[in-house]
Amino acid sequence: DVKVTQSSRYLVKRTGEKVFLECVQDMDHENMFWYRQDPGLGLRLIYFSYDVKMKEKGDIPEGYSVSREKKERFSLILESASTNQTSMYLCASSGEGPLAGGKETQYFGPGTRLLVL
Amino acid sequence: AQSVTQPDIHITVSEGASLELRCNYSYGATPYLFWYVQSPGQGLQLLLKYFSGDTLVQGIKGFEAEFKRSQSSFNLRKPSVHWSDAAEYFCAVGARSGGYQKVTFGTGTKLQVIP
Repeated sequence: DVKVTQSSRYLVKRTGEKVFLECVQDMDHENMFWYRQDPGLGLRLIYFSYDVKMKEKGDIPEGYSVSREKKERFSLILESASTNQTSMYLCASSGEGPLAGGKETQYFGPGTRLLVL
Repeated sequence: AQSVTQPDIHITVSEGASLELRCNYSYGATPYLFWYVQSPGQGLQLLLKYFSGDTLVQGIKGFEAEFKRSQSSFNLRKPSVHWSDAAEYFCAVGARSGGYQKVTFGTGTKLQVIP
C-alpha cells in the first residue's frame, strides 16, 4: 500500500528557530511536493522536486528551503521560523516524471501542524 | 494559468440525503481534474479524477463527478450521504506549467453531516 510519512504530527517552535520537516515515501516516486494548508486558502505549493538534488519553487517559497538527498526523502526547512509560518504542512509524492503534464495522482502524508510562538 | 473555484465554504446535509459539491475551473486547454477528500487530522486522499472520455466519472466511496466543458465545471455528487462522509473536499486542476506538472487546488468545501 502506498505510504507517505511525515516525521511529526504536531510541532511547537519559537520564533527564530530553524525547523526541519521530514517526509518519506516508500513508492519509489520521482516527484515530491510540500504544501501549506491554511483555512480559506486551501493548499498552496511551497516547493517541489522531480529528482534527487533537484528542486523547483512553487507559489510561496519565501522563507522556506528544501533538500532532497535521497529519492525517498524530501525535507522542508524553515531557516528562521516566524509566527506567520504557523500552519499545517502537507507532503505529497507522485510517480511519473515532470513531463506527466498534470495527470498525476498525488499521495499525501498526514500533515504536520506547526505552531510558531 | 489555471485556477479552481469552490464557491461553497461549508455545506450541511442530513444523513441519507443527496450531495452535490460545486467546482469551477479556469484553464485554456483540456483540463485534468481531481477531487480529493481530507478527513479530520488526515492528509488528502484521491476520490476520483478525469482526464478524457466519458464525462461522468466514478470514484471511491460511492462518489461520482461530471465534467461539463460548457460550464467549466466538475461537480462532485453522492446519492446518499453517510455520517462518515463528513470531511473537507478539494477540487483540483492539473496542467503542464513551465515543463512541469502543476496541480492547483481549490480552497475546499467542508461537509457536515447531521443525523
